[in-house]
Amino acid sequence: GEDVEQSLFLSVREGDSSVINCTYTDSSSTYLYWYKQEPGAGLQLLTYIFSNMDMKQDQRLTVLLNKKDKHLSLRIADTQTGDSAIYFCAEISSSGSARQLTFGSGTQLTVLP
Amino acid sequence: DAGITQSPRYKITETGRQVTLMCHQTWSHSYMFWYRQDLGHGLRLIYYSAAADITDKGEVPDGYVVSRSKTENFPLTLESATRSQTSVYFCASSWGGAGANVLTFGAGSRLTVL
Repeated sequence: GEDVEQSLFLSVREGDSSVINCTYTDSSSTYLYWYKQEPGAGLQLLTYIFSNMDMKQDQRLTVLLNKKDKHLSLRIADTQTGDSAIYFCAEISSSGSARQLTFGSGTQLTVLP
Repeated sequence: DAGITQSPRYKITETGRQVTLMCHQTWSHSYMFWYRQDLGHGLRLIYYSAAADITDKGEVPDGYVVSRSKTENFPLTLESATRSQTSVYFCASSWGGAGANVLTFGAGSRLTVL
């Protein structure tokens, strides 16, 4: 099946930028997503990008998509302690009829004071 | 309350017992999903449903049963629980139409099988 991969851990200092990376294998991915999970909670959508775009910016969040390399990144500017969470990359394929997302394993972001 | 709710939030059971996790959504979303979350595996799809009375297997369906007699409910049953089914279970829903198909998740049900 299709695969989505992320590194498991990232630590940054408060005020620095965080960059979370994701790679995927499905060349027919149409949308790619970033979800955030805070402790003890469900996943919340942060942002998504359509596959024909290469960048999307939303306040402190910047998503970069390199479709040729199948690489997606999420940059969080001026990272705050409230940004500490698990971040999941996910994709949906145009070849699937189920409208289901395939998720990566999640990156635990720790923001140090 | 509007949204997607899961119950129970926490459950401890014993090996061999039947357990049902409930999921209820108020948006009349067509699609509903059950995922399990395990350390190192991220979220893996167990079952999904495209509409009432239409269900299909995901990546890890063995040991689970689902039903969807009403659009708003999508219960997940473990017919004979095993320790390997200890996990956090998330229900999600979406419109399923063309476009971004954003999934909205419940808060999760943490299941421990002793």
